[in-house]
Amino acid sequence: NAGVMQNPRHLVRRRGQEARLRCSPVKGHSHVYWYRQLPEEGLKFMVYLQKENIIDESGMPKERFSAEFPKEGPSILRIQQVVRGDSAAYFCASSPNGGGSYEQYFGPGTRLTVT
Amino acid sequence: QQQVKQSPQSLIVQKGGISIINCAYENTAFDYFPWYQQFPGKGPALLIAIRPDVSEKKEGRFTISFNKSAKQFSLHIMDSQPGDSATYFCAALRVGGATNKLIFGTGTLLAVQP
Repeated sequence: NAGVMQNPRHLVRRRGQEARLRCSPVKGHSHVYWYRQLPEEGLKFMVYLQKENIIDESGMPKERFSAEFPKEGPSILRIQQVVRGDSAAYFCASSPNGGGSYEQYFGPGTRLTVT
Repeated sequence: QQQVKQSPQSLIVQKGGISIINCAYENTAFDYFPWYQQFPGKGPALLIAIRPDVSEKKEGRFTISFNKSAKQFSLHIMDSQPGDSATYFCAALRVGGATNKLIFGTGTLLAVQP
């Protein structure tokens, strides 16, 4: 069984460029979460999505960041005009369908470096 | 009220010893408390979790103790091994709420010396 898959695993962008991070959840999972881990810090929630819907984006910066989880294909976290402070590890997690589904399984992460 | 406080920040234990990591929360609506293990360069892996209807849960060498009245929970690693050296995160979540976001503690770096 494939777990959560993320790509790329490492991404280097210059200031001002766009970063696109992809996440394929566990097969059959329709709930996706994005978390950010700054160096030497814990994980911070960014956004929670279900297929074609954003459920909670309370942890997303108001500007430059967006997320989607289309009907077909992976979830995408998009960061426009990256700045050095965006350098971090970005983790995607997924959980099973249904009410009360709450166990979250994490992918290996995408480590973004902004130069 | 959304915070989860974790201690210690780092921990050194001898092989065969007991590792104990503590967490405290404020929001009484939290009702799911997982622990994650993270190795360098890897994603967090779900280790063990507890709901507040029980005070203790054991899986192999890992035990969660839960004190609902004190709003505290802890991870005990019995017979600690060098392979247990990793960063451990506690977390909390409100099941069935409008969002399923996990609130994480700040992590504990565990080093088990051979």
